[in-house]
Amino acid sequence: AQTVTQSQPEMSVQEAETVTLSCTYDTSESDYYLFWYKQPPSRQMILVIRQEAYKQQNATENRFSVNFQKAAKSFSLKISDSQLGDAAMYFCAYNQGGSEKLVFGKGTKLTVNP
Amino acid sequence: DTGVSQDPRHKITKRGQNVTFRCDPISEHNRLYWYRQTLGQGPEFLTYFQNEAQLEKSRLLSDRFSAERPKGSFSTLEIQRTEQGDSAMYLCASSLNPFDEQFFGPGTRLTVL
Repeated sequence: AQTVTQSQPEMSVQEAETVTLSCTYDTSESDYYLFWYKQPPSRQMILVIRQEAYKQQNATENRFSVNFQKAAKSFSLKISDSQLGDAAMYFCAYNQGGSEKLVFGKGTKLTVNP
Repeated sequence: DTGVSQDPRHKITKRGQNVTFRCDPISEHNRLYWYRQTLGQGPEFLTYFQNEAQLEKSRLLSDRFSAERPKGSFSTLEIQRTEQGDSAMYLCASSLNPFDEQFFGPGTRLTVL
């Protein structure tokens, strides 16, 4: 079964500090794509960052970066200089080459303290 | 706003009734996805379309569920003989290319009494 595990149900960070959200996944495929999505309270889900498994270089998007460890099947998200607007549920997800469906983890609720 | 839209945003129904939800994807997107999200969980895949063709269905999609995308534009998801376990947020997403970012709509929250 395809699974994504987010071991931290909740995390908190002080404004302007850095926080890392963990994600591990299970797949036997070599070709797949990894995503972090953000779901603010009562708002729709938006993409934070995307990583192609065949690329060794870690993806970055402004204050957001990932640590992709393919052998360990780990895909953590680092948020630098945290802002109040970063408070949300964060979901790790992946899809395998051959299926376009996204498989999501249960999410991590991030609180940003002023 | 040219994002993904869903209608209605909220639906309350009694057990045994039929409900239908609509999703309008971003206009140039040929791929459309349906997910279901229950409280405290991540979204779970239900089905997806490429244009009007339904290419994959989850085992979660029982015989009471049917989805269509007749002209390759908007899609409908119908649930027949609703059960309390169907209560969830139903999310629609669309994309232009396979494995690209999926753009999500605001969801339809279904409550079955």
